[in-house]
Amino acid sequence: DAGITQSPRHKVTETGTPVTLRCHQTENHRYMYWYRQDPGHGLRLIHYSYGVKDTDKGEVSDGYSVSRSKTEDFLLTLESATSSQTSVYFCAISERRGQNTGELFFGEGSRLTVL
Amino acid sequence: GDSVTQMEGPVTLSEEAFLTINCTYTATGYPSLFWYVQYPGEGLQLLLKATKADDKGSNKGFEATYRKETTSFHLEKGSVQVSDSAVYFCALSEPLTGNQFYFGTGTSLTVIP
Repeated sequence: DAGITQSPRHKVTETGTPVTLRCHQTENHRYMYWYRQDPGHGLRLIHYSYGVKDTDKGEVSDGYSVSRSKTEDFLLTLESATSSQTSVYFCAISERRGQNTGELFFGEGSRLTVL
Repeated sequence: GDSVTQMEGPVTLSEEAFLTINCTYTATGYPSLFWYVQYPGEGLQLLLKATKADDKGSNKGFEATYRKETTSFHLEKGSVQVSDSAVYFCALSEPLTGNQFYFGTGTSLTVIP
């Protein structure tokens, strides 16, 4: 199994509070991603990173920010959580394989409930 | 832009039945194609992949062939088991897009004894 650890695994918070989810990898992969998974929507990309301090927005980035100060850590922050951000969040990593993309490896997910 | 369309679910099959889950894609370049599986309460894990046209990916009795002419990557299994009950996601990735991955919405499979 790929060495990906997400924390916390479960969190309940109140509307308006800040929340930070952490993803830590031990694989030294260049690319890291944050997805959210919701019923009927599958997986949607929030933000991704293609190197230290290099990040870009995905399709559902509003209300989220990210930081990557080290290769192994990718933080997802909800500055002011809203009920619409109740979801399961997955971190993933990948690496290039020659001319092809390698596969994605996923963490176990972080379930966030915003009351 | 790149996208993946997969068969709507849920799908319910009896044990030992034949499974097909359709997946078609739109891509501007030469993508790699993947099938991921998600068991209840877990993250996604790679089931199989193919990196170029006519490649066949296979794992655990599942197969999918990369068909460039029909832009498809259908998942098949000849005889499903109860333990195959899960959600299946088709995905593509293109190196030209910086290792971005595009997922279908997932197909839930339930296999009954």
